[in-house]
Amino acid sequence: KAGVTQTPRYLIKTRGQQVTLSCSPISGHRSVSWYQQTPGQGLQFLFEYFSETQRNKGNFPGRFSGRQFSNSRSEMNVSTLELGDSALYLCASSFLRTDTYEQYFGPGTRLTVT
Amino acid sequence: DAKTTQPNSMESNEEGPVHLPCNHSTISGTDYIHWYRQLPSQGPEYVIHGLTSNVNNRMASLAIAEDRKSSTLILHRATLRDAAVYYCILTLTGANNLFFGTGTRLTVIP
Repeated sequence: KAGVTQTPRYLIKTRGQQVTLSCSPISGHRSVSWYQQTPGQGLQFLFEYFSETQRNKGNFPGRFSGRQFSNSRSEMNVSTLELGDSALYLCASSFLRTDTYEQYFGPGTRLTVT
Repeated sequence: DAKTTQPNSMESNEEGPVHLPCNHSTISGTDYIHWYRQLPSQGPEYVIHGLTSNVNNRMASLAIAEDRKSSTLILHRATLRDAAVYYCILTLTGANNLFFGTGTRLTVIP
C-alpha cells in the first residue's frame, strides 16, 4: 500500500497570510491526525478527524483548523500566519487494532513564515 | 493524560541489544503503552504497543512490568538505522491522540 502523502513538502509564507496543507491517508484508513513539530515545543497534537468529523482537538488557537473529505483526505488551514507557526506539520493516518490505534505518519510539510 | 519518563539519551553498540526504559507510574488500567520512533528528517514511525502482556513484532519487543508502572522497549540487534528518538506514549483505550514527550535519543556506535 502507498504510504501517507503530504503536499506540499516545503512552503514559504509571509506573516499575515494563510496556508492550506493537504494529506492523503493510507487507503482504507478513516482517521487522520495532524501534529506540529518545532525545536522548542517538540511534537504537539493539533486535531484528529474521523469520517469527516473532528473527534479530538489539541490546545491550539482557532487560527488552526482542518477538515476531512468523504474520501478521507484531509486539509489543515492556518490563518493569519505568525512567525511562531514555522514548523514541520505532520499528518498521520491510523487504523484501529483491537482497542487502540496505530498511526502512520507522512513525511511532513515544512512551513517557513517570514 | 498519564505522563511517561524516559532518559534523554542512550548509546548502544552496533549489533548489540538495546533496552530503552520508560516509567509510567500513574498509568491507568485502560491505558495502552505505545512506542514510536523518529529517524532524522522523517516523520515518526510506529514501533509497537501493548496493554498488559509482553509483545513481540518484527521490529522490537515490549516488556511490561507486572504492575504496569514501567516498560522496556527491546531492540534485539541494533543497526545504524535504529539511531532515532524513541517515544513512549500512553493512550486511553479507544483514543487516537498521541501526546509526545521528549523521548530518548538513541545513538548507535559502529
